[in-house]
Amino acid sequence: DQQVKQNSPSLSVQEGRISILNCDYTNSMFDYFLWYKKYPAEGPTFLISISSIKDKNEDGRFTVFLNKSAKHLSLHIVPSQPGDSAVYFCAAKRGAQKLVFGQGTRLTINP
Amino acid sequence: KAGVTQTPRYLIKTRGQQVTLSCSPISGHRSVSWYQQTPGQGLQFLFEYFSETQRNKGNFPGRFSGRQFSNSRSEMNVSTLELGDSALYLCASSMTVAGTEAFFGQGTRLTVV
Repeated sequence: DQQVKQNSPSLSVQEGRISILNCDYTNSMFDYFLWYKKYPAEGPTFLISISSIKDKNEDGRFTVFLNKSAKHLSLHIVPSQPGDSAVYFCAAKRGAQKLVFGQGTRLTINP
Repeated sequence: KAGVTQTPRYLIKTRGQQVTLSCSPISGHRSVSWYQQTPGQGLQFLFEYFSETQRNKGNFPGRFSGRQFSNSRSEMNVSTLELGDSALYLCASSMTVAGTEAFFGQGTRLTVV
């Protein structure tokens, strides 16, 4: 039962344009959502998060949007830079329960 | 402040053997979680330990087990290895149980032949 889904395994974006990564979830009890970024041969690093009481959180070039009615969140990166090329994982949790991760989306920024 | 340290980084084992992986969390962090990453499956949760007690458990067979020591270091053991156990095993630490921000180690790449 995949409670968190990232339906796009890969995404290619031109440098300077906006990258939009999407994530859907099925459990309406999730109350906290996170995005992680992973480079090859490294562990995932925390990028940005959002509580279910908000619908938007912004940190520099990164913005996460949460649409609770659609059970959908997205990560916007603008402008995209070559160093943003990585695998991005969305994750969700409910209270003190475990983090549930999506399958990941490989983002490639083209010069 | 040192990050999460996992040892060894790489491991090759034969089917049927057992393996033990180690994770040292960030100083002051008391929660350690283990994940298995395979291509196309994302990060699958194995278990979480807090104060030497297992607090959360994923849907893995009993061949996968873990423990946490009083200094918060954790070990994960896989017995009777199968080819399908080949994966990147990641450990994450946080200050509290299922902390809102988990810090990951670089992982241990296990290959079963």
